[in-house]
Amino acid sequence: SQQGEEDPQALSIQEGENATMNCSYKTSINNLQWYRQNSGRGLVHLILIRSNEREKHSGRLRVTLDTSKKSSSLLITASRAADTASYFCATGRIQGAQKLVFGQGTRLTINP
Amino acid sequence: EADIYQTPRYLVIGTGKKITLECSQTMGHDKMYWYQQDPGMELHLIHYSYGVNSTEKGDLSSESTVSRIRTEHFPLTLESARPSHTSQYLCASSSGGLAEAFFGQGTRLTVV
Repeated sequence: SQQGEEDPQALSIQEGENATMNCSYKTSINNLQWYRQNSGRGLVHLILIRSNEREKHSGRLRVTLDTSKKSSSLLITASRAADTASYFCATGRIQGAQKLVFGQGTRLTINP
Repeated sequence: EADIYQTPRYLVIGTGKKITLECSQTMGHDKMYWYQQDPGMELHLIHYSYGVNSTEKGDLSSESTVSRIRTEHFPLTLESARPSHTSQYLCASSSGGLAEAFFGQGTRLTVV
């Protein structure tokens, strides 16, 4: 099964509100990354947080990581219509082959 | 924009045809990946490569094959396309197995 599982699967909010998405994983990780995918296109890297970090910011994005609970959250503040997309978390596992494993994604819709 | 390119962008082909999906990157990355993604669903890793003449099967079994003769080129081939192969195929590369991945725009394949 996939390493990361995003929650919720779909989220619809009004423009200007904050959006929070969560990701849970099962095994020990080296880092956790968040990506955005606009409809029918490739993924774009948003932010990477290492296993020894607890919080990271990039513009309107805030990511937290709780390794004890094996979970991460992505907060998008002051959402815009252009933020409408699917958001995926990806984990870099410590053991086994070094490759990213993606979750199922959260479909975010920002209503104007 | 990432320097990774996939062609064709869209492909409609008949059952039984042989097809090759092209992926090239100009970033000098050793690591390259192929993911399969159905609309609105998670990404499944089907092949990856850690360098020239190195290829491995991913987490999802696939009837496709890959080759890595040059660092910048990682084509995917289906010897005999079937309707069950209809999907989006995403190519990615990274400088390390757990580093940020750069994605192409994807090839949307339809087998009729």
